[in-house]
Amino acid sequence: GESVGLHLPTLSVQEGDNSIINCAYSNSASDYFIWYKQESGKGPQFIIDIRSNMDKRQGQRVTVLLNKTVKHLSLQIAATQPGDSAVYFCAENMLTGTASKLTFGTGTRLQVTL
Amino acid sequence: DGGITQSPKYLFRKEGQNVTLSCEQNLNHDAMYWYRQDPGQGLRLIYYSQIVNDFQKGDIAEGYSVSREKKESFPLTVTSAQKNPTAFYLCASSRDRSSGGYTFGSGTRLTVV
Repeated sequence: GESVGLHLPTLSVQEGDNSIINCAYSNSASDYFIWYKQESGKGPQFIIDIRSNMDKRQGQRVTVLLNKTVKHLSLQIAATQPGDSAVYFCAENMLTGTASKLTFGTGTRLQVTL
Repeated sequence: DGGITQSPKYLFRKEGQNVTLSCEQNLNHDAMYWYRQDPGQGLRLIYYSQIVNDFQKGDIAEGYSVSREKKESFPLTVTSAQKNPTAFYLCASSRDRSSGGYTFGSGTRLTVV
């Protein structure tokens, strides 16, 4: 079946360093790929998305890269801060008719050390 | 401020009882969703609704029911037929045919005692 998976369950990064969180996907027909951040006991928070016809998109301190050849998605966080500690999910969205439906990966926990 | 409100934050249920989780949004979004999250896992789709008075089953709909009588509200009922209901339940909304920038509520943690 279709799936969205992550390479690393936990990532430890020192404060100030850059973080890279990776994700593999299997559905070539997905229209968008999205990254969410979830802090403990809270709902996921949208970070950034990228359309399937793009390779790179930048936001504030974050960059998402999409490699369709190897079906790989990554989230880069520049100058990682303690507030970045959370679980990060990638998700893929396939638009059909009037509907959109997200499929989430299992998540990567980012731990920022001082 | 616009957003999604889920209530209650914590809910305890005895085995064999039905329980309803509330979800209200004032974002004027057409679509609403219910997800279930188990510890250390991703989100799994229970039900979704693209428009008032219409909803579709997600990947794990068995043991759950929903209604969408108003655009702003999408309550989820966890019935006694759900064999393993203890989980974190998340409601979300989006513009119709959204790119994926869903807005999530803060969740309801349901525990069966």
